[in-house]
Amino acid sequence: EAQVTQNPRYLITVTGKKLTVTCSQNMNHEYMSWYRQDPGLGLRQIYYSMNVEVTDKGDVPEGYKVSRKEKRNFPLILESPSPNQTSLYFCASSPAGTSLFFGPGTRLTVL
Amino acid sequence: AQSVTQLGSHVSVSEGALVLLRCNYSSSVPPYLFWYVQYPNQGLQLLLKYTTGATLVKGINGFEAEFKKSETSFHLTKPSAHMSDAAEYFCAVTPDNYGQNFVFGPGTRLSVLP
Repeated sequence: EAQVTQNPRYLITVTGKKLTVTCSQNMNHEYMSWYRQDPGLGLRQIYYSMNVEVTDKGDVPEGYKVSRKEKRNFPLILESPSPNQTSLYFCASSPAGTSLFFGPGTRLTVL
Repeated sequence: AQSVTQLGSHVSVSEGALVLLRCNYSSSVPPYLFWYVQYPNQGLQLLLKYTTGATLVKGINGFEAEFKKSETSFHLTKPSAHMSDAAEYFCAVTPDNYGQNFVFGPGTRLSVLP
């Protein structure tokens, strides 16, 4: 089944404790991206990647890191999480020229 | 810079009534336009999209949207609401066909009353 998977789906952590949210797609898509969803703000792009070893900042990159060492994986790293990073996070992928395919989301709470 | 506005953060309709969710965009170039739906505790699913050609676009579950360039609008409609349509709906635009510059609206939560 073609899909985008994210792990974990739910995470509660404390300020300053490094964490990684994994994202994997099995559709051989070139493009992958991360969004955060906050009430009343819709989805805002954090980072995106056009292909392996090619990443760039989106609209709200502060406090986040990404890497794209393999085509299928695009992990999101929070080196020192803070409470304002409490949010619902979505990974998405697409082949060039079409719409986005979204993962199921990761709900992160930073205490 | 692009932006998307969706009039009404929450819309309620009765079952069987017309659904109209509004989306307006600002873009310096004719954009590609999308509607996504998010059911509770799920990711976003593509409902329909406009790229080129016919300005009236049909999507899944009986939804359709019309691109009106003169009004910079892409409103979503469905003639008869069903209980299963209750969800959050997001309008999105991108200026190109490469996928990296999506801008989403704030979303409209649709409630369907029995």
